[in-house]
This record gives sequence, structure tokens and C-alpha cells, in this order.
Amino acid sequence: QPVLTQPPSTSASLGASVTLTCTLSSGYSNYKVDWYQQRPGKGPRFVMRVGTGGIVGSKGDGIPDRFSVLGSGLKRYLTIKNIQEEDESDFHCGAHHGIGSDFVWVFGGGTKLTVL
Amino acid sequence: EVQLVESGGGLVKPGRSLRLSCTASGFTFGDYAMIWFRQAPGKGLEWVGFIRSKAYGGTTEYAASVKGRFTISRDDSKSIAYLQLNSLKTEDTAVYYCTRDEGAGVLDYWGQGTLVTVSS
Repeated sequence: QPVLTQPPSTSASLGASVTLTCTLSSGYSNYKVDWYQQRPGKGPRFVMRVGTGGIVGSKGDGIPDRFSVLGSGLKRYLTIKNIQEEDESDFHCGAHHGIGSDFVWVFGGGTKLTVL
Repeated sequence: EVQLVESGGGLVKPGRSLRLSCTASGFTFGDYAMIWFRQAPGKGLEWVGFIRSKAYGGTTEYAASVKGRFTISRDDSKSIAYLQLNSLKTEDTAVYYCTRDEGAGVLDYWGQGTLVTVSS
């Protein structure tokens, strides 16, 4: 099954842009990855799915246009433009793998975004 | 409005049991697979297991770390998914979340979580 790797933290200034990275382990370059936002003390919130061709399907409910994704090789990116205070969150990338009884969801360790 | 509300968490001693509930509203519960995750303090999300909809047999799958100890069930008439936690260990301490599979593995709505603390 794939392993997803995320840097533990990053920061960005109010109004600036930031790109978060999720790296798939070798051999899984065709995998789609889902991004989730988790505000402090809350459950995760689906942001959007990304493959090598970009967004797959629709954004989650209420996700603003400031959020976009790209995918290249083993990397899956989430970019947030014009960062707002409410964007301060943990961002998780995840993927599901397998079929039938051999089925798992795997997640990266999450990236904590601090808004300065 | 889709809502998922977990309940049933608390402080429990190692080796004991606990049953968590996930009460759903705002959608046709029986049409969806329901999935449980957990998040240990300061850690990332860990998949626990899921239950398919009745249309797909209502069968269950579990992570290796909980297989044989945890059981997922559902009551479609009440729109509730359950997670039975048996033989609890200190490493099971986490916030437990339920979510639904919107399709193709997209987990579009999550609950707020319920904290399970396993300690003597």
C-alpha cells in the first residue's frame, strides 16, 4: 500500500499564498489523493481530490475558489491563495487502496498551517 | 444538511469495552458505506474500519491493528453506525471519527469526533 509523506508544518502571512505538498511512495504515481482540512478541535472536512491531471470531481461543500490542486509524478499539491485567518488548520492528504477485503485508507501525518 | 454525530466516548480501563455511536441525519443513511477513523493525540488520521451498505452486502473490513477486537455494525432504521471496542489497550486512546463514503472513496462529511481514553 502507498505511504503518504507530508511536512509537519508550514506558515504563511495573511493575504499571501502557500502550497502544501503530499508525496506518494515510489510506484504509486497513478494514485489520486484527497485533501482534508481540520480546524482546531473539529473533524476533518473534505477539500478536493487530485490526480496527475489536476482536480478529480468536485470540491467539498463550501471550499472557496482560493483553494486549488495540482499533481505531478509522486507529488500532490494543495495551493491556498489570499490566505485568511480561518485557513489556519491541519491539512491531511489521504488515499484509498485495494479492493474487496484487501482495502485500506492511508493518510499522511498532516501539515499544520500557521497564519502569521 | 448532512450531519454525523459521534457519541459514547469516555475513560475506560485497559481490557474493558466501549460502544461508540455515529448518528446520521440529512441523507439516506442506508445508501452509504460508513467508515471509522481515529486520531491519537498529536498524531495523524488512522483508518479503523468500515461497513458497506446493505446493497453491497453490509460487510465489514478492519485495519490490522484492531481486527478481532473492534466490530462495526449499522442500524439503517435508526440511521446509526456503531463501533464496538473490546479488549481496549492504552494505545487505542484517540478521538474516534465517523465519516461516509460519497463514492469512490471520497469521504465528504465527518463528525466532530468522540474521545476515548484508555487508562488504568
